[in-house]
Amino acid sequence: DIVLTQSPALAVSLGQRATISCRASESVRSSMHWYQQKSGQQPKLLIYGASNLASGVPARFSGSGSGTDFTFTIDPVEADDIATYYCQQSRNDPLTFGSGTKLEIK
Amino acid sequence: EVQLVESGEGLVQPGSSMKLSCVASGFTFSNYGMNWIRQAPKKGLEWIALIYYDSSSKYYADSVKGRFTISRDNSKNTLYLEMNSLRSEDTAMYYCAKANSGYGGVMDAWGQGASVTVSS
Repeated sequence: DIVLTQSPALAVSLGQRATISCRASESVRSSMHWYQQKSGQQPKLLIYGASNLASGVPARFSGSGSGTDFTFTIDPVEADDIATYYCQQSRNDPLTFGSGTKLEIK
Repeated sequence: EVQLVESGEGLVQPGSSMKLSCVASGFTFSNYGMNWIRQAPKKGLEWIALIYYDSSSKYYADSVKGRFTISRDNSKNTLYLEMNSLRSEDTAMYYCAKANSGYGGVMDAWGQGASVTVSS
């Protein structure tokens, strides 16, 4: 199985940039996607195919990377962005998620 | 507007069975793959099953293979998850999620979740 490694938490000031990384245990090419999950809610797709913005998602959110190293960025961070962010790969079966990065405001 | 509504949640004893349903609306259900994903309390997301748009292929996580069955009825716009031999570690919120293609992979819409508790 492909293991996706994310740092557990990140604290950022409002108006600053937040950068979350996701490293895959083997290449997933560009088959990496990012989801936001706010407390008590279902996840929401933000980025698909490593860098494509999902429908209706603000341009403050972006993604980059290919192969094994991926980055998800929020710039600028707003108070409403407090959530846990998950990466997910669809290159290989089984589909796998990272353990999530909890974004906190300083 | 895409809507996915899960049902069938509840409390069951270890070893028993349970069936979840997910009714879809707002899109042509028969054109898209569908997934089940679960989240244990205070834990991360775990993908557990995928079914192609035409039911031609089904995939499962090792943790549920042989115990859970994913199926769909395109005439009823409904996705199912039949769960047998339930264990305490199956306790979780279960989400159905629409794929962005006929084959799965990217989950572009999610239901609100159905809570399953396995306990004696």
